[in-house]
Amino acid sequence: AQSVTQLGSHVSVSEGALVLLRCNYSSSVPPYLFWYVQYPNQGLQLLLKYTSAATLVKGINGFEAEFKKSETSFHLTKPSAHMSDAAEYFCAVSEAGGTSYGKLTFGQGTILTVHP
Amino acid sequence: DAGVTQSPTHLIKTRGQQVTLRCSPKSGHDTVSWYQQALGQGPQFIFQYYEEEERQRGNFPDRFSGHQFPNYSSELNVNALLLGDSALYLCASSPQGTSGNTIYFGEGSWLTVV
Repeated sequence: AQSVTQLGSHVSVSEGALVLLRCNYSSSVPPYLFWYVQYPNQGLQLLLKYTSAATLVKGINGFEAEFKKSETSFHLTKPSAHMSDAAEYFCAVSEAGGTSYGKLTFGQGTILTVHP
Repeated sequence: DAGVTQSPTHLIKTRGQQVTLRCSPKSGHDTVSWYQQALGQGPQFIFQYYEEEERQRGNFPDRFSGHQFPNYSSELNVNALLLGDSALYLCASSPQGTSGNTIYFGEGSWLTVV
């Protein structure tokens, strides 16, 4: 069974500061990992995904994440926060390959607040 | 190229009623999944359809059922609605075949049960 734990339901940063959103996963098989962003009253938009290629993954809007197998982590970072980054962020895991692909298990989400 | 489209965007139903939500996948995608997102929670997988058959199912009761049509569009049906069914219902689509394909989500259908 897969699971995702996002540490910190709320994270607050100042504009221009480093953004770090934490995600730890559990999976019995090699995982695919995803970060999605959700703006108020909207669906989910993919920020980036790890699919067993490079462990450092670059996504949209300046975000990146590093897959660390030894730590079972996939933390999301952005060097400099912008006001438009304020949203809820979800980490998700899927089994690599096979018919289980496409079944995402999500974390509880982290609400990012950016202060001027 | 239209992405994943869902209808209706908002609806209100009474306990005990039935509801049908609709989803058109992104062009070229043949696999459709449905998720339930309760307020303040992450999305939870309901089920997935491929080739008009339910291929995977999450931990949801039989009151939740679905269908996929030959054009790959899909419906989610919920019978005997409970107050706890109030949530955002998200449809996601992806192409079959190569693992690692991006999964795209629609804007969702907000269901309120009163």
